[in-house]
Amino acid sequence: DTGVSQNPRHKITKRGQNVTFRCDPISEHNRLYWYRQTLGQGPEFLTYFQNEAQLEKSRLLSDRFSAERPKGSFSTLEIQRTEQGDSAMYLCASSPGTGASLGYTFGSGTRLTVV
Amino acid sequence: ILNVEQSPQSLHVQEGDSTNFTCSFPSSNFYALHWYRWETAKSPEALFVMTLNGDEKKKGRISATLNTKEGYSYLYIKGSQPEDSATYLCASYNAGNMLTFGGGTRLMVKP
Repeated sequence: DTGVSQNPRHKITKRGQNVTFRCDPISEHNRLYWYRQTLGQGPEFLTYFQNEAQLEKSRLLSDRFSAERPKGSFSTLEIQRTEQGDSAMYLCASSPGTGASLGYTFGSGTRLTVV
Repeated sequence: ILNVEQSPQSLHVQEGDSTNFTCSFPSSNFYALHWYRWETAKSPEALFVMTLNGDEKKKGRISATLNTKEGYSYLYIKGSQPEDSATYLCASYNAGNMLTFGGGTRLMVKP
């Protein structure tokens, strides 16, 4: 297992197009998180999964955003009708459980640019 | 304090200087404080996890302290090297079952 993998690394899209990102977590990790990071800010929580169940969604996650983790393994994050304000780094992380001391293992992120 | 806050936002130091950053977090419903290092074009890498008031952790030239009663943590780097250049993120694990991150401190070490 080579850690958390995210694809693509970079995505440039025109405003109004739909985009989908993929995250493959560490295989034995049952928790998967999506964060968004914009320039000069820290990562902001978007949503997380416990196995295939989506347990929490941030208010940042508008109706244009949807995330899935169909078999409790990889996850996808889709943004419909992209806007310039969606330009950001989208980070995925996984952890082996629910403990507060369990750190996250992050992927390298997908950088989205909406033109 | 309602959010996790870090200061300074950025820092330029000379090689060999020692430096420190601050992370402030909500002290209510506190469970753990995490520090990460994020180098450009790489993934954030875990440095420390601290849970108890007065905790001190050390990894090489980097160390961290925790005060849960007043809600702050310090990260220290002794004798900074150019390879220490990165963004240092702290994150608090509170009752929400996920990490809430600060804005980060971007450190640049000049040779």
